[in-house]
Amino acid sequence: AQKVTQAQTEISVVEKEDVTLDCVYETRDTTYYLFWYKQPPSGELVFLIRRNSFDEQNEISGRYSWNFQKSTSSFNFTITASQVVDSAVYFCALLYNNNDMRFGAGTRLTVKP
Amino acid sequence: DVKVTQSSRYLVKRTGEKVFLECVQDMDHENMFWYRQDPGLGLRLIYFSYDVKMKEKGDIPEGYSVSREKKERFSLILESASTNQTSMYLCASSPRWTDSPLHFGNGTRLTVT
Repeated sequence: AQKVTQAQTEISVVEKEDVTLDCVYETRDTTYYLFWYKQPPSGELVFLIRRNSFDEQNEISGRYSWNFQKSTSSFNFTITASQVVDSAVYFCALLYNNNDMRFGAGTRLTVKP
Repeated sequence: DVKVTQSSRYLVKRTGEKVFLECVQDMDHENMFWYRQDPGLGLRLIYFSYDVKMKEKGDIPEGYSVSREKKERFSLILESASTNQTSMYLCASSPRWTDSPLHFGNGTRLTVT
């Protein structure tokens, strides 16, 4: 079964703190893709990053970084020096069969000034 | 930029009504999806379509049907709306056979009274 688990339903931090959002996935496929999306209060999901199953290199983009570990089936997302504008719901997703995408339940991040 | 347009942002319907949610994309994408978003449950796949007149059931198809008569348009139909179908509905599209991220519409918040 294909499944994505985001165990943290809500996280609250104070501005400038670092925060890590956890994502654990399950799949029997050897080829798959992992994604993170951001859903700000406006509602539209915004794509943040994609990682394929053969590339375990970590990635950094500004204050965002992602840690992909196949050994633990995890794809965690870290925001460094968080800002109020980072407040949103973040979804981790698993794409397999090149067509079918499954989402986690989401983590609501609140960054307080 | 890819644009996915959902015909209504807010919709209020009565129990037992037949409800149509319309979604149009302008990038010639083969794949189109309907998700339902509920607090604590994330996005759950209702149906998806990878070609005109083709459809596949997702995780929660009960009480829903879909129609894809043209490539750019994917309709979600609630045959007889019930209060437990009150939710946010999100349409998305993507090219077929790629690892491309989904492009989402702004969502339709449906309330069934």
